[in-house]
Amino acid sequence: DAGVIQSPRHEVTEMGQEVTLRCKPISGHDYLFWYRQTMMRGLELLIYFNNNVPIDDSGMPEDRFSAKMPNASFSTLKIQPSEPRDSAVYFCASSGSTGETYEQYFGPGTRLTVT
Amino acid sequence: LAKTTQPISMDSYEGQEVNITCSHNNIATNDYITWYQQFPSQGPRFIIQGYKTKVTNEVASLFIPADRKSSTLSLPRVSLSDTAVYYCLVGDTGGFKTIFGAGTRLFVKA
Repeated sequence: DAGVIQSPRHEVTEMGQEVTLRCKPISGHDYLFWYRQTMMRGLELLIYFNNNVPIDDSGMPEDRFSAKMPNASFSTLKIQPSEPRDSAVYFCASSGSTGETYEQYFGPGTRLTVT
Repeated sequence: LAKTTQPISMDSYEGQEVNITCSHNNIATNDYITWYQQFPSQGPRFIIQGYKTKVTNEVASLFIPADRKSSTLSLPRVSLSDTAVYYCLVGDTGGFKTIFGAGTRLFVKA
């Protein structure tokens, strides 16, 4: 398996623009997570899905952020409108509920810069 | 969710054994203890997970005392490539509501 795939790897955009981050989880995994990492706040869980259904979005910072998972192999995290304080590395991770350990597999991340 | 406390940083030399201790005084009955490793510009990578006593895999060992209020990650004979941030997490049986703390920055010197 190719692992968790994220695109784009880098995104530079201007304040006010819409940004869409994409994630393809590992095939067969039924959990998907979106994280944000900054120097100041560390690694924060934004939202996670189980079987394509959002389970907990309490980490989503505000209404400008939204996440969807239309099917088991694809998820998006959208920021509209973007602000400079949204600059961070965004990670997607997936996990299966049938393994011996509850291990999350992380993607390479998307580095977002909002100017 | 149980909060975890770890040292901010640690230094070691190549070939030494490194032990990183994590405190989790409010761990719940259903909570597992999980450790992740993160290199710069990469996502975290699972190292080991346990519930009680000792767990060992090809990479590390995890020691958990009977009261489970702390745990120790043991890395045998570290190398320069083990320089990374190590996170201790405590979560329920699903392990899915994960909270990453600040982690421990391990510097391995030659």
